[in-house]
This record gives sequence, structure tokens and C-alpha cells, in this order.
Amino acid sequence: NAGVTQTPKFQVLKTGQSMTLQCAQDMNHEYMSWYRQDPGMGLRLIHYSVGAGITDQGEVPNGYNVSRSTTEDFPLRLLSAAPSQTSVYFCASRSPGQGFYEQYFGPGTRLTVT
Amino acid sequence: KNEVEQSPQNLTAQEGEFITINCSYSVGISALHWLQQHPGGGIVSLFMLSSGKKKHGRLIATINIQEKHSSLHITASHPRDSAVYICAVSHQGGSEKLVFGKGMKLTVNP
Repeated sequence: NAGVTQTPKFQVLKTGQSMTLQCAQDMNHEYMSWYRQDPGMGLRLIHYSVGAGITDQGEVPNGYNVSRSTTEDFPLRLLSAAPSQTSVYFCASRSPGQGFYEQYFGPGTRLTVT
Repeated sequence: KNEVEQSPQNLTAQEGEFITINCSYSVGISALHWLQQHPGGGIVSLFMLSSGKKKHGRLIATINIQEKHSSLHITASHPRDSAVYICAVSHQGGSEKLVFGKGMKLTVNP
């Protein structure tokens, strides 16, 4: 299994540009999430999905869009990039169920908006 | 006040020392997670706890639900343990929304 993959690893955008961060997992996990990590702050949840066709907002959703058309993929779209969106972005997935299951994280995407 | 607080924020230790990292939280939770972030940035899940204690190799995680506190212990520390250790909680009700602490940077010197 490849686990959770993210592309690209690095990206530089100009203010106002749009782009999509890709996330895919091959573990058939229902739950997927997007986080951003900024210096001096903990990881913060942007959007999450509990299954194909179902998404919901996290703590910091403004400026981002998501969709979940398949179990495997959960892309994050930046509609009009702003310098405040400079961050490292992590995608994560896990299985649902009665028990508690660990989160699997992708390697991250480092985004700089100038 | 953050829902999840970690202490200390930074710790430097000598190889072989016993290390304790603390995490306190202020809300009712369904589970607490300990994660490790390597210097290269990758994040790995170490433990998930809802009660008691778990052990994996040289790592031991404990949780006290009444006191809203968890500890991560590293026995016989090694330079490869150098990383940021992150505590996160899932709210009661099994919410998918994890709330993270800011992390604790551990440096283990040879």
C-alpha cells in the first residue's frame, strides 16, 4: 500500500491564483481530513469527510473548498490564494468503526503564497 | 486558553535518559492521540488512548481521564527519538474533529 499520498510536495503561488492540492489513499478509509500547520500553532482542521459525497467544515475553512467524489481522493482547492494561506498542508485518513483507529498522514505540501 | 496544552515546549536530553512529555486538556474526550513529527516533516501516529496505559517498544503512554491528563514516556532515549511530539484529542461523541496541542520539540544528544 502507498498509504496517503499528496501532490505536489512544494508549490509557490502568486496572490489571487487558484490551485488544487491532491490527496489520495489506498486503504479504503472512509474518513479523510485536511489540516494546516503554521509555526507556533498546532495543526488545525480545514475540512473533513466521513465518506464519498459527504464533507464538512473544520476550524479554519475560509478560502478553501473540498469535494469527495470517490473514497480514494479528497482534493483541497484554494479559490484565490492569499499570503495568509502560506503553510504546510497535511492530508490524513482513518477507518471509522466502534473502536478507535489511528490517523495516517500524508507527507505534506509546503505552500508559499507571494 | 487552548483546549490542549503540552509541556514542556522544548526539551533537550542526553542519550539514555528517561523522558516524560505531558499533555493536559480541558474538554470531555472520546480519545487522545500521541503523534510524532520527524525533522523531515512526516507525521506518524504513535498511540490512541481512551483509558489506562499502552506500551510500544520504548514508548509508554498513559491517560488519567479524571485529571484530564496524559503522559508520554520514552525509556532509554536515543538521538533518533529527536522529533516533535504532538498530543491531540477527539471530542466526546466520537467527533472526527481532532484538536491538537502545539507540540513539544525533543532533542536527544549523543
